[in-house]
Amino acid sequence: DAGVTQSPTHLIKTRGQHVTLRCSPISGHKSVSWYQQVLGQGPQFIFQYYEKEERGRGNFPDRFSARQFPNYSSELNVNALLLGDSALYLCASSSKGTREETQYFGPGTRLLVL
Amino acid sequence: GENVEQHPSTLSVQEGDSAVIKCTYSDSASNYFPWYKQELGKRPQLIIDIRSNVGEKKDQRIAVTLNKTAKHFSLHITETQPEDSAVYFCAPSTDSWGKLQFGAGTQVVVTP
Repeated sequence: DAGVTQSPTHLIKTRGQHVTLRCSPISGHKSVSWYQQVLGQGPQFIFQYYEKEERGRGNFPDRFSARQFPNYSSELNVNALLLGDSALYLCASSSKGTREETQYFGPGTRLLVL
Repeated sequence: GENVEQHPSTLSVQEGDSAVIKCTYSDSASNYFPWYKQELGKRPQLIIDIRSNVGEKKDQRIAVTLNKTAKHFSLHITETQPEDSAVYFCAPSTDSWGKLQFGAGTQVVVTP
């Protein structure tokens, strides 16, 4: 059974550009959350989507947006990239109301902004 | 919002000794208390979790204890091994499938 997958694994962009990161949850999981992990720090919550609706939003600027598709996969979009956006972006999926009601992380997308 | 603090920030132990990491949180609505292990360059992996109706949970060499009154929970690792070397994060939450509020992490180094 496949775990959470993310693409791409690595990405290099320049300031001002736009980036789209993708996540596929574990089969049967309807919730996807996004986290940003800057080097040396703990992951910071960006968004959670459940059943294609935004359930929660962290303290990030409007340059960050996300959506969830009918198959429960998700995209995270970041506009007008800044150097400080360089980080590991983690996606986690979870399944509400089951014994699997905990979060499983994907391998992450490492974004470098130059 | 939730304020989460972990102590210590680094922990060096001899192989075979025990390690204890403490996590303090501020949100009294928190009722899910997980610990994640993250090895260098890898994803965080859940190693143990506890819910607010339980005071202690053990899984082989690892255990978590919860003091909800004092708003802290701790990770205990016994008989440490070199493969226990990693960064450990606590991440209390108001529900197990929603927003996790991560601490800053504890770097554990187990020396042979």
